Amino acid sequence: QQQVKQSPQSLIVQKGGISIINCAYENTAFDYFPWYQQFPGKGPALLIAIRPDVSEKKEGRFTISFNKSAKQFSLHIMDSQPGDSATYFCAAKVGGQNFVFGPGTRLSVLP
Amino acid sequence: GAVVSQHPSRVICKSGTSVKIECRSLDFQATTMFWYRQFPKQSLMLMATSNEGSKATYEQGVEKDKFLINHASLTLSTLTVTSAHPEDSSFYICSAGEGTNYGYTFGSGTRLTVV
Repeated sequence: QQQVKQSPQSLIVQKGGISIINCAYENTAFDYFPWYQQFPGKGPALLIAIRPDVSEKKEGRFTISFNKSAKQFSLHIMDSQPGDSATYFCAAKVGGQNFVFGPGTRLSVLP
Repeated sequence: GAVVSQHPSRVICKSGTSVKIECRSLDFQATTMFWYRQFPKQSLMLMATSNEGSKATYEQGVEKDKFLINHASLTLSTLTVTSAHPEDSSFYICSAGEGTNYGYTFGSGTRLTVV
């Protein structure tokens, strides 16, 4: 029940295209859903996060869509750029407990 | 924004020696720090939760005596890999929280290679 599923495992997108990564969870107690971006050899960096009382959050080219009833949330990267090529992790958290991370999606944006 | 500094970024050590990794919160006090381990092309695996002034809480399967964690101040936590072996080679990452339950920042990670 603590697991967060993530798909696809890898994604190749042309420059300017839309990258979409999906995550699903089971634990309805989760109340914070962040997305992290990780470049090779670096620690994860918070990209964008959402709470379950909001269905969508947009920050620049990055949008989180959240479906509470389906227990799913997704990351959309608009106008994808080669510099967006990285591994993306979704995560979920309950209050004072630890983050539960998805397995990650390796995004490659072709020039 | 919050900055977490992790040092060293890379370290190579001989089998049987010990290595210390430092995690510092530069502009905030971190009551809680987490230590993760990440294998190539895999997700982050939580090793332990470190609370200032108290003993760390280790996840199941993580050897307490091999991975010593000290959180002696509100801005510094250390992970010491004792008697390192090649199988301990991995990417170690810390994260620190500012006191809320959600605002955690990750360090830049430490690549440990045991030869």
